[in-house]
This record gives sequence, structure tokens and C-alpha cells, in this order.
Amino acid sequence: GQNIDQPTEMTATEGAIVQINCTYQTSGFNGLFWYQQHAGEAPTFLSYNVLDGLEEKGRFSSFLSRSKGYSYLLLKELQMKDSASYLCAVENSNNDMRFGAGTRLTVKP
Amino acid sequence: ETGVTQTPRHLVMGMTNKKSLKCEQHLGHNAMYWYKQSAKKPLELMFVYNFKEQTENNSVPSRFSPECPNSSHLFLHLHTLQPEDSALYLCASSPWGGQGASGNTIYFGEGSWLTVV
Repeated sequence: GQNIDQPTEMTATEGAIVQINCTYQTSGFNGLFWYQQHAGEAPTFLSYNVLDGLEEKGRFSSFLSRSKGYSYLLLKELQMKDSASYLCAVENSNNDMRFGAGTRLTVKP
Repeated sequence: ETGVTQTPRHLVMGMTNKKSLKCEQHLGHNAMYWYKQSAKKPLELMFVYNFKEQTENNSVPSRFSPECPNSSHLFLHLHTLQPEDSALYLCASSPWGGQGASGNTIYFGEGSWLTVV
């Protein structure tokens, strides 16, 4: 089967660092995506990893280990506006995009 | 503004009604998608259109009927829905079909909140 697992909820403090993990089992692998979705809004693209390693983009970084079927999204210097759901998505070898259920992050003062 | 516009943003319909959701993308993309997002569940891919041709239908009930008249417009026609169909319906587009291939990033619309009563 195909599974994408990520924690349901996380809470962190403003200014801190938080890591959101994602593990996956898919039939083949063509890339992993992270999306951010604020309540009542569309998901927006954050990052894309297809090779192992860390991709850094400002305060956000995404890591991939294909051999472990594992990725994480790292958010630094958290701000209140970072409170949102973070969706992990994996494209398999059939070019099908499968999404996790999302991790709802709450940033507290 | 993502370049993908959906209307209406909110819709309440009875189980015997017929309504349609509309999506328009201004990004020059060739592929368009319908997703269903229910509370605490993963995004579910419903339909994929690539160059106006339907390339995927993920076992969606026939009470949902898509229409893609051109690469910029996508409709989801709804009839005799059930209360469990209440959800957020997201339209998306990408440069080419084969969602996500080699960074073929998907861009989502704001979604249409559907409530079936």
C-alpha cells in the first residue's frame, strides 16, 4: 500500500525552531513536496526535494532521505503567522501525487 | 492570489439539487485537477485533465461529473449529492500533466466549501 504519515498536531513557541516529520511508503518515488495551508485558504507550495539532503529557503528548510522514506520540514525563528497546516506530499513513479493528512502547527507567544 | 480562481467560495445545496463548481487558471498551465479535502483526512485526488483530456478518475462516484472545455477552465458538476460529500473542493493546475513530475509544482485555488443538507 501507499502511506504518508505525519503528526496530526504540534505546538511551538514564537522565535523557536520546530521540525515536522513525514514518513512515506510509495510505489516508486519522483519527489517530495511540502505545502502550507492556512485555515480557509489554498495550500501553497513551500519546497520540493528529489535528491537526498537539505534544501534551504529562508527560514524554511526541507530534508529528504530516500533510503529511509523520511523527510522533515524545519521552521526557524517561528512567527505567529506560521500557524497553519503543513502538508507532506509524495509523487510516485506513476506521477500520482499522494498527500498526508497534514500537521496543524500552532505557534504561541 | 495563486492564479487559480474558484467560484463559488461557499455553496449549500440539498440532496436533490444540481449545481456546478467553476475553476479558472491564469497561469498558462496545461493540466488541471480536482481534489477533495475533508476534515482531518488527506487530500483526495478526484480528477486530472491534461491538455483538456481526462487522464485520471480515481473511482469517483458518478454524482460528480467533471468538464474541461479548454486548458484554462474546469468545472465540477454536482447532482444528487450525499451529506458525506460535504467538504472543501480544491481546484489546482500545473504546467504539465503527471502531477509533480520533476518539480511540476501544483498550484491550488482557494477552494469551494460545499455543504450538502
